[in-house]
Amino acid sequence: DTGVSQDPRHKITKRGQNVTFRCDPISEHNRLYWYRQTLGQGPEFLTYFQNEAQLEKSRLLSDRFSAERPKGSFSTLEIQRTEQGDSAMYLCASSRGLAGSETQYFGPGTRLLVL
Amino acid sequence: GQQLNQSPQSMFIQEGEDVSMNCTSSSIFNTWLWYKQDPGEGPVLLIALYKAGELTSNGRLTAQFGITRKDSFLNISASIPSDVGIYFCAGQLSVNSGGSNYKLTFGKGTLLTVNP
Repeated sequence: DTGVSQDPRHKITKRGQNVTFRCDPISEHNRLYWYRQTLGQGPEFLTYFQNEAQLEKSRLLSDRFSAERPKGSFSTLEIQRTEQGDSAMYLCASSRGLAGSETQYFGPGTRLLVL
Repeated sequence: GQQLNQSPQSMFIQEGEDVSMNCTSSSIFNTWLWYKQDPGEGPVLLIALYKAGELTSNGRLTAQFGITRKDSFLNISASIPSDVGIYFCAGQLSVNSGGSNYKLTFGKGTLLTVNP
């Protein structure tokens, strides 16, 4: 397995712009997760997919956020009309297996700075 | 919602010392995980615990899943400089009944500094 990859690693944007991040999970992992991490905090859950179905969204995921996993492989997370409060590390994780035995493996993250 | 209390917040130790950190929850989890995160990188899995009372080792690391399912601890023996980083605990409900059972809830982390 080559691990979870994320692109870009860093993004600087101006307030009001749209940004899109990509995550490529470990091959054959059917679950894919997005988390957000701010300085001094642990990662916080945003949303997750099982195959192409988005099964849960956190209250943190405002209407400006949308995530897709169209073919059940890679996923994109788009933030529209970015705000300074969106500045954070966006982490993707993937897993497979049954509940009670699965383990989530994280990518290196995309660090977003909104000016 | 569920919250994890992780302690201590930070530790400064000498190389060769043993380290212990723990995590407590207001709710039950069925899986406990411990991750290490280096600056600018994603969390890397250290140990996964799937059963109450389970004690698992990974090299110099040992972790236990508390009997009440509301706590876990991580021990690092004979610390070395490369142990420096932020250690996170995470809990997961992991019950096959759909809903929010797969997401991880993280603690705020323990920052470990090792003085050579």
